[in-house]
Amino acid sequence: AQTVTQSQPEMSVQEAETVTLSCTYDTSESDYYLFWYKQPPSRQMILVIRQEAYKQQNATENRFSVNFQKAAKSFSLKISDSQLGDAAMYFCAQRGGTSYGKLTFGQGTILTVHP
Amino acid sequence: AAGVIQSPRHLIKEKRETATLKCYPIPRHDTVYWYQQGPGQDPQFLISFYEKMQSDKGSIPDRFSAQQFSDYHSELNMSSLELGDSALYFCASSPERERGNEQFFGPGTRLTVL
Repeated sequence: AQTVTQSQPEMSVQEAETVTLSCTYDTSESDYYLFWYKQPPSRQMILVIRQEAYKQQNATENRFSVNFQKAAKSFSLKISDSQLGDAAMYFCAQRGGTSYGKLTFGQGTILTVHP
Repeated sequence: AAGVIQSPRHLIKEKRETATLKCYPIPRHDTVYWYQQGPGQDPQFLISFYEKMQSDKGSIPDRFSAQQFSDYHSELNMSSLELGDSALYFCASSPERERGNEQFFGPGTRLTVL
């Protein structure tokens, strides 16, 4: 069974500053994938960044980067130069390495960006 | 670029009624997933289909059924609706030939049961 835990129900950051959202997971699989999704007030699910477990290098997408600690089963998201448009619910998610793998989501973290 | 289409976007039903939600995946995506997101909750996996066959099943009530058709669109049928079925229902699609590929989410169908 897969579990994903986000221990920060809410986070806030000042515009242009950096914030880190935490996520831990548990799985018995050796091959898996990790994702961060953003859900703005429109409720659309938008992929922010993904990480393949077999890759040691942390994924980066513009202002978004992850700190993937495989041994600790930790997958945090760092948002640099925060913008007002980054305000949203952020979900950490895990998918097994087998085909047709479903996503298991964490509880979510609400990010507020202050001007 | 084409996206996942879900219809209807909003649906209001009475208790004990039935509802049908439709999902049209991105062209050439052969796998469809259904998720249910209750108010203030994370999305929960319901069921998935690959090449018109059920590939995985999650916490889907027996009152719900789903299928994927020859054109790869999928329908989620919900019967004997209960108040607790009120939620946002997402459909997502992916090209399953590459494992770990991103699941592309549709805008969701907001179901309200009165």
